[in-house]
Amino acid sequence: GEEVAQTPKHLVRGEGQKAKLYCAPIKGHSYVFWYQQVLKNEFKFLISFQNENVFDETGMPKERFSAKCLPNSPCSLEIQATKLEDSAVYFCASSQTGGSGYGYTFGSGTRLTVV
Amino acid sequence: KQEVTQIPAALSVPEGENLVLNCSFTDSAIYNLQWFRQDPGKGLTSLLLIQSSQREQTSGRLNASLDKSSGRSTLYIAASQPGDSATYLCAAGGDSSYKLIFGSGTRLLVRP
Repeated sequence: GEEVAQTPKHLVRGEGQKAKLYCAPIKGHSYVFWYQQVLKNEFKFLISFQNENVFDETGMPKERFSAKCLPNSPCSLEIQATKLEDSAVYFCASSQTGGSGYGYTFGSGTRLTVV
Repeated sequence: KQEVTQIPAALSVPEGENLVLNCSFTDSAIYNLQWFRQDPGKGLTSLLLIQSSQREQTSGRLNASLDKSSGRSTLYIAASQPGDSATYLCAAGGDSSYKLIFGSGTRLLVRP
């Protein structure tokens, strides 16, 4: 399809619980990006994939966050032992190529609330 | 390290007014610059994408310009309507990792 599909739309977890978010990129798009939006408009880059390979993970808090993009499956972002500060909207975006010439299409996001 | 700044942070205008939103970036070595719209509680809608080799892009009442040498981009909205009320974000696609660096957005309110 022509949209980036993110599930679930909302997720509530108790502190210390695991959270798993999913993203189905647009078919044919080679790059997938995860961003975290906190404090209204502050977007933080987390990780990107080129197909199933990690492309850039410099934004990932590695001790609790992990992500995968496997063939024929939605990409996933998993947070082990969630903390209150993980409460945010997590956006996934895909791009046909990573660089110039093509823009990024964003999903509608998953709102994670840690209580 | 790329930093993107947007001014003003908020803007309130009467319907019908033409307006300009500003975006500045510190590193001119960008691949592209993209303008997005975000409605409250919603995702990002791509408005315009300007490649590094381009000076401007137009879509309907929207026109975005890019001046890499001065590190600036502007989004011009003609004949604003209440439906244009949203947060507008610019994002620079800069380094070899292709990630976007976002500004903090301009919250626009168009009053009927």
